[in-house]
Amino acid sequence: EAGVTQSPTHLIKTRGQQATLRCSPISGHTSVYWYQQALGLGLQFLLWYDEGEERNRGNFPPRFSGRQFPNYSSELNVNALELEDSALYLCASSRQKSRPLHFGNGTRLTVT
Amino acid sequence: QKEVEQNSGPLSVPEGAIASLNCTYSDRGSQSFFWYRQYSGKSPELIMFIYSNGDKEDGRFTAQLNKASQYVSLLIRDSQPSDSATYLCAGKTSYDKVIFGPGTSLSVIP
Repeated sequence: EAGVTQSPTHLIKTRGQQATLRCSPISGHTSVYWYQQALGLGLQFLLWYDEGEERNRGNFPPRFSGRQFPNYSSELNVNALELEDSALYLCASSRQKSRPLHFGNGTRLTVT
Repeated sequence: QKEVEQNSGPLSVPEGAIASLNCTYSDRGSQSFFWYRQYSGKSPELIMFIYSNGDKEDGRFTAQLNKASQYVSLLIRDSQPSDSATYLCAGKTSYDKVIFGPGTSLSVIP
């Protein structure tokens, strides 16, 4: 069974640009979660998608947005990038609401 | 008050000892709890999950849940140097968000 895949692995952008991060969940998983992990810090909840709908979002500004496609893959968009957006962005998927999350390897975003 | 709290550590134990990791949560409606291990520069990997009060054992790992005290713990028996990592406690809140604690850094000394 293929795991959660994220692309790209690394992304370098300049301040003010937009970044798009992609995630493919494990086959059969309908829920996708996005987290931000700044260097040395914990995982901060960004967004949760289930069955194509945004179900919940964390305390992040509106320039962090995303969507989930009919095949349950997802993308995270970050507009008007700021230096403090530099972090590891982790995507996770789960089969049902109460089931454990399985993480991808992450996208490391660097904003210069 | 943070939704999920952990002692940041570092926690150091000698090889072969029992490592005890603790976690508290604030949302009484939380039903599902997870323990993840994260090596430096890597993504979190699931160790155990627990939904019911009491203990759940899997190999060298035992998760304990006490909903009345809003407390979750993870015991690692016969700790090995390869267990040295950051351990993340997570809970699914009543709003279905999965919130992670800040993590506890564990160091197992050979």
